[in-house]
Amino acid sequence: EAGVTQFPSHSVIEKGQTVTLRCDPISGHDNLYWYRRVMGKEIKFLLHFVKESKQDESGMPNNRFLAERTGGTYSTLKVQPAELEDSGVYFCASSPKGPHTGELFFGEGSRLTVL
Amino acid sequence: EDQVTQSPEALRLQEGESSSLNCSYTVSGLRGLFWYRQDPGKGPEFLFTLYSAGEEKEKERLKATLTKKESFLHITAPKPEDSATYLCAVRGMDSSYKLIFGSGTRLLVRP
Repeated sequence: EAGVTQFPSHSVIEKGQTVTLRCDPISGHDNLYWYRRVMGKEIKFLLHFVKESKQDESGMPNNRFLAERTGGTYSTLKVQPAELEDSGVYFCASSPKGPHTGELFFGEGSRLTVL
Repeated sequence: EDQVTQSPEALRLQEGESSSLNCSYTVSGLRGLFWYRQDPGKGPEFLFTLYSAGEEKEKERLKATLTKKESFLHITAPKPEDSATYLCAVRGMDSSYKLIFGSGTRLLVRP
């Protein structure tokens, strides 16, 4: 069974440009999460989808970040325009529906470097 | 505000030398404490969930325990393949489904 896949694995962009990160969760997983780790800091929650609906987006830093999950399948996270402080590793995770056991299946992450 | 502090930041062990990692937490109504393992260039990999003080979970050389203020990850007779960053996370009453992560402990086990 395929795990959570993320694309691209690494993106280098100039300040002010736009980047879109994509996440394909494990098939059948209703819950999809985005987390990120900026340099030297802990992994922090960004948002949570249940199918195509945003359940919790309290971790989104500002309105330059836009997440979508079309049809309840894959998800995209767009940063527009990117700033230097957006550099870090963006992780996507998924979990099946049902009681939250804390067992999230993480992808390998998309590393974003903003110059 | 929910908070997780892990110590030490880094730990070097000889193969076979047992030790423990600490995770101290402050949370409004613990709904779960979670341990993850992360290898370089990879995403975190789930290890354990603990829900209440006194609970213990084991997996191979790893054993996680929980009190009302902290959790320990005990590593018995570690092997070089146990080298990784170990992450602790909590979910509180106010946290919906989001996990609050600590900064991790980087473990290196030398042969």
